[in-house]
Amino acid sequence: DQQVKQNSPSLSVQEGRISILNCDYTNSMFDYFLWYKKYPAEGPTFLISISSIKDKNEDGRFTVFLNKSAKHLSLHIVPSQPGDSAVYFCAASPLLSSSNTGKLIFGQGTTLQVKP
Amino acid sequence: SQTIHQWPATLVQPVGSPLSLECTVEGTSNPNLYWYRQAAGRGLQLLFYSVGIGQISSEVPQNLSASRPQDRQFILSSKKLLLSDSGFYLCAWTQPGRGGYGYTFGSGTRLTVV
Repeated sequence: DQQVKQNSPSLSVQEGRISILNCDYTNSMFDYFLWYKKYPAEGPTFLISISSIKDKNEDGRFTVFLNKSAKHLSLHIVPSQPGDSAVYFCAASPLLSSSNTGKLIFGQGTTLQVKP
Repeated sequence: SQTIHQWPATLVQPVGSPLSLECTVEGTSNPNLYWYRQAAGRGLQLLFYSVGIGQISSEVPQNLSASRPQDRQFILSSKKLLLSDSGFYLCAWTQPGRGGYGYTFGSGTRLTVV
């Protein structure tokens, strides 16, 4: 049962344009959402996050939007740069966990290619 | 500052051989520790997590096991590897009480079972 889904395995955009990566989730208990960026043969690195009390969080060129009613979030990268080419993972977690496990549930990832 | 070390970086093992991957965290105490696997064409799958020494929770039934012999050491093992165990293994940690406030990942181990 895939609780976090990234239905687009890949995305190609031109440098300078906007990249939009999408993520859907099914578990209404998820209260905190994160995006990670991963280069080949490296571990993922944290990019940006958002809690369910917000619908938007912005950090430089990166903005995450959350639509709780639709159980959907998206990552916007504007303007896209060739160095942004990587695999992007969406992740979700309950903000408060009775077991304090801190588990993150990841999506399948979307490979972004930004063409010069 | 906190750092996480994971080794080896790459490993090629024959089917049926044992496996031991090690992960250590420095600069913190009592971290929550996690093992994830990224199989070819798939996302990050949580394999095991640990909230303390000797406390291991398994997320999926499989050919692997995990142990936490020391506070900041997390080991992934197998007695007999299968071809399906091939993948990119990632160790991660987070502070207890931070819930899902984000992990710090190690650099990963590329395991190829032949």
